[in-house]
Amino acid sequence: DVKVTQSSRYLVKRTGEKVFLECVQDMDHENMFWYRQDPGLGLRLIYFSYDVKMKEKGDIPEGYSVSREKKERFSLILESASTNQTSMYLCASSRGVSSGREFNEQFFGPGTRLTVL
Amino acid sequence: AQSVSQHNHHVILSEAASLELGCNYSYGGTVNLFWYVQYPGQHLQLLLKYFSGDPLVKGIKGFEAEFIKSKFSFNLRKPSVQWSDTAEYFCAVKKGTYKYIFGTGTRLKVLA
Repeated sequence: DVKVTQSSRYLVKRTGEKVFLECVQDMDHENMFWYRQDPGLGLRLIYFSYDVKMKEKGDIPEGYSVSREKKERFSLILESASTNQTSMYLCASSRGVSSGREFNEQFFGPGTRLTVL
Repeated sequence: AQSVSQHNHHVILSEAASLELGCNYSYGGTVNLFWYVQYPGQHLQLLLKYFSGDPLVKGIKGFEAEFIKSKFSFNLRKPSVQWSDTAEYFCAVKKGTYKYIFGTGTRLKVLA
């Protein structure tokens, strides 16, 4: 059974704190993604990575950074948490482009609900 | 701007009613299309996907979707919904190598 796990289901932090969200996948997927999910806005891409140590900005990267030191692990970092970063954060992974279009779906983790006070 | 539109934000149906959720996208060229479902308290999971071939795609739990290229649409259907179909449904488009664009979601509530 394929698995994407996230380090915490719920997290409460204070404004200004540095926050680390961890994601691990066990499917040997090349691609990994971080989204935030907000009511009425759907999923918005923060960052993605297509290989170890490679990263690309998504649609809303401001205030976030990422790290991918190992293939299976993709970390999202909030350098200085702010209240407008209160949200549900979803990690996803997918196979690389060489696998073909029929294997393009993303697999999602359970999400981390972050509250910044 | 490139986008994915889900026309219905909230849908309420009685059990056994038929369901159709609309999804339109604004990209040309080759796309991969997906419907994901998020049951209450659970993670997003794939319902079905289209990448080529037969435009009528069948997924899990009796869902199907039809890709109509001329209309840039990928509507989700189910002939008879159940209470357990209560969930939020997301349409998504993969355009290019890495970019996935999601719609804003449709919350479906099925009354027993």
